[in-house]
Amino acid sequence: DVKVTQSSRYLVKRTGEKVFLECVQDMDHENMFWYRQDPGLGLRLIYFSYDVKMKEKGDIPEGYSVSREKKERFSLILESASTNQTSMYLCASSMDRAHGYTFGSGTRLTVV
Amino acid sequence: AQSVTQLGSHVSVSEGALVLLRCNYSSSVPPYLFWYVQYPNQGLQLLLKYTTGATLVKGINGFEAEFKKSETSFHLTKPSAHMSDAAEYFCAVNKNTGFQKLVFGTGTRLLVSP
Repeated sequence: DVKVTQSSRYLVKRTGEKVFLECVQDMDHENMFWYRQDPGLGLRLIYFSYDVKMKEKGDIPEGYSVSREKKERFSLILESASTNQTSMYLCASSMDRAHGYTFGSGTRLTVV
Repeated sequence: AQSVTQLGSHVSVSEGALVLLRCNYSSSVPPYLFWYVQYPNQGLQLLLKYTTGATLVKGINGFEAEFKKSETSFHLTKPSAHMSDAAEYFCAVNKNTGFQKLVFGTGTRLLVSP
């Protein structure tokens, strides 16, 4: 069964900490995505990547960066966590537009 | 640019009743359309998709959706709701040219009462 694995289900971090959210896929997909999900706002795209070492800003990149050193791994970095980054973070990967996305289980991040 | 509108942030049905979740899209090119389901504290799972061909598509758990180009709609239905269908449902659109990037609706929470 194909999988997207997010390293943590729940995280609690302090304001100002540097936070790493890890995502690994085992499907050899070229495209990977990071979303955040908030009540009433749906899913908002933070960053995406269509190849190793390539990255593109999504709709809400401010306060975030990403890293993709290997095809299977796409990391989201919060350089200095703030309380307004408390959210559910979802990673996804895709082969092509006709197949849609495969999502990870999500990381619920709380910044205190 | 594509966009998706899901009518109703919450839909309530009784167990055994028809489920109808509405989705309208806008797209400048022929779209690919998707429905996803999300159970509490989990990621999104693909229910069904339309790419080309037959406009009535069947998915998992007894759900189906019909692509209606003239109405720019892709409504999700299930003849008889089950308690286990209670979840949040997201409609999404992707254009079939250029770089692929799904655009999601804001979601509809389905509540099922006994």
